[in-house]
Order: sequence, then structure tokens, then C-alpha cells
Amino acid sequence: QKEVEQNSGPLSVPEGAIASLNCTYSDRGSQSFFWYRQYSGKSPELIMFIYSNGDKEDGRFTAQLNKASQYVSLLIRDSQPSDSATYLCAVNMSGGATNKLIFGTGTLLAVQP
Amino acid sequence: EAGVTQFPSHSVIEKGQTVTLRCDPISGHDNLYWYRRVMGKEIKFLLHFVKESKQDESGMPNNRFLAERTGGTYSTLKVQPAELEDSGVYFCASSQNINQPQHFGDGTRLSIL
Repeated sequence: QKEVEQNSGPLSVPEGAIASLNCTYSDRGSQSFFWYRQYSGKSPELIMFIYSNGDKEDGRFTAQLNKASQYVSLLIRDSQPSDSATYLCAVNMSGGATNKLIFGTGTLLAVQP
Repeated sequence: EAGVTQFPSHSVIEKGQTVTLRCDPISGHDNLYWYRRVMGKEIKFLLHFVKESKQDESGMPNNRFLAERTGGTYSTLKVQPAELEDSGVYFCASSQNINQPQHFGDGTRLSIL
């Protein structure tokens, strides 16, 4: 079992729709959760992070965390073609000396105009 | 504010040669991380510096890899001698402190022939 699992996609949504990206993790000690967006050949760009159960909203993005079920999701409202990218889920066990991120393989999102 | 800068962006070398990758973190960021993504796999942690000290090097594959951060500013990652399986994209990230999110550079694409 992978430590962080994501559906590789591609996830195809029409422009203006809600894109829902999901991620599950295996380590119950994970405390911090991150969503990065990566365009081809570019750096992973941090778009959301969440530490507590529930929802966190930032503009068109909402991160949802459910520690009991060990999943974290990212909702993108009013999807735009420019949102087409690979979305990486990452978790870490903060509070200790190590701060390494454990990544999923990423979900490719394609927003159709 | 300048982001994380990596050099070179691409490197193509032959098996058995030596390559050195460089990372300049965001100014003022004490924490510097190296990660690697090999073909078809997820991004994986290599090591973590706090200033000039190695905090966690549990992800380093073997002793052919040497990371340094003299003076606590930029870091280098040397691969000597390079093997075919070392091909991939090497990312550097930095954070101001251990509890802050990590910001990534564009990566160095390393190809071993």
C-alpha cells in the first residue's frame, strides 16, 4: 500500500464545473496536508494547506480533511482551462525533527473549454 | 521576492561521470530540502538541512549522493559516479521554519546515458 494515494486521472471536467480531487493516506500520525499544482516542466506550486479536520476555503479552492477516514480532498469551483495541471497531494508528520513531505503520484486535471 | 532557484535546468551526462546540482533557497529560509522524481513515480524526499546541518538524510539512496550546504545558504547535491537509475527530476524546496509550507524550485532534469 502506498503511503499517499491519488487517482492518476486524467480527470476531465467542463469549464465552469466543480473539479473534485481526492487523496488518501496511510499514516494516522500525519498532521499537515498540502495540495500543490504542477504545470509540465515547472515547479510544484503550493495552493492549499490544511491542518485541522473540516473545510478550508481560499478563493475558488476548498480543501477538506477527514482524519478519521484518512482522506483529504481539493475542490476547485468554476474550473478554468488554466487550472489544467497535475495536482499533487502531500502529507507530513510535523511536530518532530523531520519535516519531509510524502507525495502522491498526482492527478492530472483537464478542464475542457 | 525571488523563489527557489535551481541550476542547471537540464543536465545530460554519461554513466560514470560526476554531476553537481545547485539550489538557492528563498532568502532567509533556514530549511532546505532535496527531493527526486524518477519516471512514473511520485516525488520522494532525499534530505533536509536546517541551516548548514543535515537534519534528516533518510531518503538518500546510497553513498554516491553527497549533499552540502556550507554557510547555510545555497546547497549542492553531487552524484558521483552517476548510474542510469539516477535519471529523474531533482527538486529543491525551502521553508522559513519547520512548521511553514515548503516552496519548490523548477527542478533539474538529470539524464544519465
